[in-house]
Amino acid sequence: GAGVSQSPSNKVTEKGKDVELRCDPISGHTALYWYRQSLGQGLEFLIYFQGNSAPDKSGLPSDRFSAERTGGSVSTLTIQRTQQEDSAVYLCASSSSSSSYNEQFFGPGTRLTVL
Amino acid sequence: AQSVTQLDSQVPVFEEAPVELRCNYSSSVSVYLFWYVQYPNQGLQLLLKYLSGSTLVKGINGFEAEFNKSQTSFHLRKPSVHISDTAEYFCAVSEGQTGANNLFFGTGTRLTVIP
Repeated sequence: GAGVSQSPSNKVTEKGKDVELRCDPISGHTALYWYRQSLGQGLEFLIYFQGNSAPDKSGLPSDRFSAERTGGSVSTLTIQRTQQEDSAVYLCASSSSSSSYNEQFFGPGTRLTVL
Repeated sequence: AQSVTQLDSQVPVFEEAPVELRCNYSSSVSVYLFWYVQYPNQGLQLLLKYLSGSTLVKGINGFEAEFNKSQTSFHLRKPSVHISDTAEYFCAVSEGQTGANNLFFGTGTRLTVIP
């Protein structure tokens, strides 16, 4: 079956511009996560959605970052007024429930480059 | 709060030799432990996970890991590596039954298998 998909695969933008990154989770998965993978660092948790509950935004690095999940499926991560330090690979993952032992299935990521 | 340490950023090893990738974690609560693999230009894929029970966990592609609570370690091993095992390996933890569902990742270990 189809896995987690993300678009675009690559995004180059200029400092100060806004960007939107999209994630399509596996059909039926209720939990959705965004992570950031920066050069030389591990994956950093950003935000977590579970069903219709309020999202866990505890990992968002600044108020320039926001995310939404429409209809419990597709999610969009928005970065406003991008900075060079935002350059990273942004990964989306989904799982079949919110239980922390459930496997998270990852998408291929969006590589964001801020010039 | 959780933290994960992967001391070895790069591990070169000859084909058919054994390998151990080290992972240590710190946590004030019980945790679930995971190893993910990221092949070049692909998303993360779950290798194995420890939830409870037997401390020796077997995963895909001949990998196994052993949970050692006293040493707070979860080292990954394979008795004989193949060229196709060349990839980046990430250790991750999530809080056990108490809640936070996001994964905390180490910085990764790049395994290079030399012919």
